[in-house]
Order: sequence, then structure tokens, then C-alpha cells
Amino acid sequence: QVQLQESGPGLVKSSGTLSLTCTVSGDSINSYYWTWIRQSPGKGLEWIGYIYAGGSTYYNPSLKSRVSISVDTSKNQFSLTLTSVTPADTAVYYCARSVPAFDVWGQGTMVTVSS
Amino acid sequence: DIQMTQSPSSLSASVGDRVTITCRASQGISSFLAWYQQKPGKVPKLLVYAASTLQSGVPSRFSGSGYGTEFTLTISSLQPEDVGDYYCQKYDSAPPGFTFGPGTKVDIK
Repeated sequence: QVQLQESGPGLVKSSGTLSLTCTVSGDSINSYYWTWIRQSPGKGLEWIGYIYAGGSTYYNPSLKSRVSISVDTSKNQFSLTLTSVTPADTAVYYCARSVPAFDVWGQGTMVTVSS
Repeated sequence: DIQMTQSPSSLSASVGDRVTITCRASQGISSFLAWYQQKPGKVPKLLVYAASTLQSGVPSRFSGSGYGTEFTLTISSLQPEDVGDYYCQKYDSAPPGFTFGPGTKVDIK
């Protein structure tokens, strides 16, 4: 059974950097695409970007200048970095497996950006 | 960029009603369309992929259809546990990306 678990700070200061990690269990990260999604309070889903195990990435054009996704195959993890955050980046951040639809999701982690 | 729209933005129906949600893409996306259900306070769940293929374990009252720019998600007999938000998502490869629709809120009347 494939499981994903997000981890990282729940509070980030405005203008700082948000960093989250997703640990994959029950599947090899060398397969499929792995993606990040976020959901601001009371709002819809926003796709952030994805990475393939080979290292190829693609980001939402609206976030591209601030986003980076990396993978650590030795730990079966992939990570999200979002720079120059503002309170508008406050959201629940999800990681998911892309096959290519998102069939397995993590539980999500709430990140608040304080002003 | 391909934009996704959904209608209606919200609906209220009675238990047992047939419910239809429409999703439109600003450009053709073949069958690269998925539907997700998000119950209140829960993680989104994949219902349908490739426009009409039901994800394993999803009740058969859910069905998807469509091709190109217009798609529908149908709940043949609405149940109380179907309350939540429903999102369509395109996953076309050209350009690559996974744009979500704005969502449709489903309630019980």
C-alpha cells in the first residue's frame, strides 16, 4: 500500500523560504511522477509542480520563479522549496503520486506564513 | 495556458437525485481529464481518470464522460456521503501541467 507523508515547518515568516519533504513508502520513487499541490483556506486546489525520478521537473507558470522541487532517491523522498513567501502562500500543502492522475495523496500539512 | 471551468459552482439536490457537473477546457485535451472528490476536511480523492475510467473502489453511481473540451461527472443517485467539493483536472502533456477547475460544491437539499 503506497503512502505519502508530508513534513516540514508549520510556520514560515514572510519573505522567507518554505521547505517541505514528502516521504514515500510502499513504492519506489524511481517510478511515476511526484507532485505538489496546495489549497489556501476555503479555496480550490492549485497544482504547484512535479518531478520525475530522473530529475526532470515542470512547474506551474504562476509559481515558476519561486519554486523548486528536488528528489532524493536514496531516501525515497521528494522536496518542495518556495522562496519569497507572503501570507498568500498560506495553505495546506499536499504531495501526491501522478500516474498521471493523482491517485495517492498525503494527508497534507498546513503552512502559515506570518507577516 | 489551458483554462478549466466548471458549472455549476454549487448545487443542492435531494437524496436519490441524478446530479451532473460540467467541466470545460479552453482548448482540446483529448481524454486527459480527471475528477476528484473532496469531502469536508478531508484529502481529495481520485474518482475518474481518462475522462471516463472509474478509479478502483469508487462506487458505480459515479460516471464520467466527454472528450476534447467538454466533460461531465454524473452521480446517478445522490447519497448523503457524496456531499463535498468536486474538481476536474486536465493533465495534457502539451504543454505539460495539471490545471484544476475551480470546483463544484455539492450539498443535500
